[in-house]
Amino acid sequence: DADVTQTPRNRITKTGKRIMLECSQTKGHDRMYWYRQDPGLGLRLIYYSFDVKDINKGEISDGYSVSRQAQAKFSLSLESAIPNQTALYFCATSDPLTRTDTQYFGPGTRLTVL
Amino acid sequence: GDSVTQMEGPVTLSEEAFLTINCTYTATGYPSLFWYVQYPGEGLQLLLKATKADDKGSNKGFEATYRKETTSFHLEKGSVQVSDSAVYFCALRGNDYKLSFGAGTTVTVRA
Repeated sequence: DADVTQTPRNRITKTGKRIMLECSQTKGHDRMYWYRQDPGLGLRLIYYSFDVKDINKGEISDGYSVSRQAQAKFSLSLESAIPNQTALYFCATSDPLTRTDTQYFGPGTRLTVL
Repeated sequence: GDSVTQMEGPVTLSEEAFLTINCTYTATGYPSLFWYVQYPGEGLQLLLKATKADDKGSNKGFEATYRKETTSFHLEKGSVQVSDSAVYFCALRGNDYKLSFGAGTTVTVRA
């Protein structure tokens, strides 16, 4: 089984709808992250959480919110989706106790907003 | 702030050719450096990493050396295969524990 899972894998929605993307991990890591990937722009950080009580904005948090329900679960919400939020979304986890704090990524969710 | 600049693609090669993808960075302090690979339809996988100057990361025939004097972490492979076709991302982790990614380089290897 995959260590970092994301649901759904694909989603098509309409402008104005509320969308939730979910991430679960079995790696036991405290740190979790949400990124979006756009062609030619690499990955950009939306939000990150260093533990259950810690939530921080990344470089592109406007229009998004998150919830850290447990150590293993980190959800990303789009309160009112708009077309320029069409992208590939990745969740990642890391363990701060390792020297490099390497991040491990889920398979991604492809979101299309019409 | 921290940033990563990597060679623009796409790159198209024949099997057994030599591959180099350039990556340079700007950061304060002593960042850790990474190469991630994204195969078609999949998420990112860690390919290799280096944590200090002159460290060499290696995996699956790929290598990259952390060069502090030139602020570079170029990825190389001596003989590519069709299965190496993917998007490659250079990234750094700075003192704030966040990853900064390059834009990605698409590599296509033809048989």
